[in-house]
Amino acid sequence: SQQGEEDPQALSIQEGENATMNCSYKTSINNLQWYRQNSGRGLVHLILIRSNEREKHSGRLRVTLDTSKKSSSLLITASRAADTASYFCATDFSGYSTLTFGKGTMLLVSP
Amino acid sequence: DTEVTQTPKHLVMGMTNKKSLKCEQHMGHRAMYWYKQKAKKPPELMFVYSYEKLSINESVPSRFSPECPNSSLLNLHLHALQPEDSALYLCASSQGETGIPGRELFFGEGSRLTVL
Repeated sequence: SQQGEEDPQALSIQEGENATMNCSYKTSINNLQWYRQNSGRGLVHLILIRSNEREKHSGRLRVTLDTSKKSSSLLITASRAADTASYFCATDFSGYSTLTFGKGTMLLVSP
Repeated sequence: DTEVTQTPKHLVMGMTNKKSLKCEQHMGHRAMYWYKQKAKKPPELMFVYSYEKLSINESVPSRFSPECPNSSLLNLHLHALQPEDSALYLCASSQGETGIPGRELFFGEGSRLTVL
């Protein structure tokens, strides 16, 4: 399957702690995106990193991409209860123009 | 306006019913998508419309019939569905045609479908 694999499947932390989620994929990509989904709601785009970029920041989010290892990580610093959601990586595989979503990480941030 | 609006939010239908899901965006996006999402699973692509033409059909059963009346609207017509088709159906849009990678998707809140 071309689908990305997130790790861990579920993560439970306390407010103020950092949360790190990983995504691995199997084939060459053009870009990798991260999305957030609150329970039963639509997905919201968080950040996009291109295949020639290694790191990108947006507010409390930091994304890294290692194309040699075919992996990416999403770091959320100083987490808040409102960060509780599922987080999905999504990839544009080379030669395939639409996004394929990974299996997701469920993040629970306790007050 | 950066919204994708989906109606209805919830739909319950029998296996012999015919119903439709609707999606609307006013961001000038020329690509629109239907995704299906089962509980605790990632969204799975069903259809892609690019410039109002169906460009991708991910081998979806014919009981799901998409329609793009104009560049702002996307419908999904449902007929003779099965209970296993119960899921969250998500509409999304993006700028430009699907042939360009790296496009951010804007999602609606979804239509929760239950087939009895």
